[in-house]
Amino acid sequence: SQELEQSPQSLIVQEGKNLTINCTSSKTLYGLYWYKQKYGEGLIFLMMLQKGGEEKSHEKITAKLDEKKQQSSLHITASQPSHAGIYLCGADDNQGGKLIFGQGTELSVKP
Amino acid sequence: DVKVTQSSRYLVKRTGEKVFLECVQDMDHENMFWYRQDPGLGLRLIYFSYDVKMKEKGDIPEGYSVSREKKERFSLILESASTNQTSMYLCASSSTTTFTDTQYFGPGTRLTVL
Repeated sequence: SQELEQSPQSLIVQEGKNLTINCTSSKTLYGLYWYKQKYGEGLIFLMMLQKGGEEKSHEKITAKLDEKKQQSSLHITASQPSHAGIYLCGADDNQGGKLIFGQGTELSVKP
Repeated sequence: DVKVTQSSRYLVKRTGEKVFLECVQDMDHENMFWYRQDPGLGLRLIYFSYDVKMKEKGDIPEGYSVSREKKERFSLILESASTNQTSMYLCASSSTTTFTDTQYFGPGTRLTVL
């Protein structure tokens, strides 16, 4: 079965610094989803990538899917306290609508 | 915007009680999902449904059942709550009419079983 591994598991950065979170799959990714979760709340959909080499941006967050479609990265530029939370990657398991999720990366941004 | 709502944000129940968690979505989505989220274990799929009155077991269905009598509503039932079911429960929905499987989540219900 497909597994997603996220790194790092946790991250503390100073406000204004850039950071990258990685998501690696054991199999080819047919669809890769990034979500953000504020503490104790539900998941908020950020972006979805499907094509090898694809890159999407929203405000200061950029997500990329590598050419081989087995790894994705989420990059935050000039981090702010509002970026703090847990970032999860999810992947289409190619079995009809279900997603599997990574363990999450907990981001703290120090003012 | 897609809106997924869950009946309670916080719930405290006693061991052995029957517990109902309700989820409602307003986007006419065909698919609905129930997950639980625990530290160190991530999100685990309990049950999902592709259509009214249809249900499929996820990865950890034991101790749970579901009901989907209407398209917009998906209920998770704990027949006899136990302390190891203390967790954060998340509901999600998605559409089969788009080319993606993007799931939209509710705010979650934090259930404590004493």
